[in-house]
Amino acid sequence: EAQVTQNPRYLITVTGKKLTVTCSQNMNHEYMSWYRQDPGLGLRQIYYSMNVEVTDKGDVPEGYKVSRKEKRNFPLILESPSPNQTSLYFCASSIQGSNYGYTFGSGTRLTVV
Amino acid sequence: QQPVQSPQAVILREGEDAVINCSSSKALYSVHWYRQKHGEAPVFLMILLKGGEQKGHDKISASFNEKKQQSSLYLTASQLSYSGTYFCGTEVRYGGGSNYKLTFGKGTLLTVNP
Repeated sequence: EAQVTQNPRYLITVTGKKLTVTCSQNMNHEYMSWYRQDPGLGLRQIYYSMNVEVTDKGDVPEGYKVSRKEKRNFPLILESPSPNQTSLYFCASSIQGSNYGYTFGSGTRLTVV
Repeated sequence: QQPVQSPQAVILREGEDAVINCSSSKALYSVHWYRQKHGEAPVFLMILLKGGEQKGHDKISASFNEKKQQSSLYLTASQLSYSGTYFCGTEVRYGGGSNYKLTFGKGTLLTVNP
């Protein structure tokens, strides 16, 4: 089944403790992206990647890192999480330059205390 | 810069119609529409390309006015299953067209009651 898989689905952590949210897609998509969703603010882009080793900042990149060493994986790294990063995170992928929509993962609900 | 969606929320009775609007201040390559049910991931509905035709499937259709950088989503004879939050995503291309960025609006909450 074609899908984007995020892990974990839920995560509670403490301020300052480094964490990684994984994202993997099995559709051979070049383009991958991370969004955070907060009430009343919609989906805001954190980082995106056009292909392996090619990443760029979205609209809200502060406090996040990403890497794209393999085509299928695009992990989101929070080096020192803070409470304002408590949010619902979505990973998405699509065929690069295509006229197709994005496929989203199921989401990761992160709480930083 | 996020596109502006309106209205923020709409309540319908089953069988009624609704229109959701999306506008951007940027020159757009395409507009995407997604629906998100509570607690689930957004699901792609359709894409409208610059120079393309109005799209639609079933009783949901959309249009894209390139001159005004505006798009509208039309829901006809709404069903209970149409309830959810609708997001427009506006796509701009740069770097000679090889790079692109999709920015979402804040969403429109649609509630369809029996």
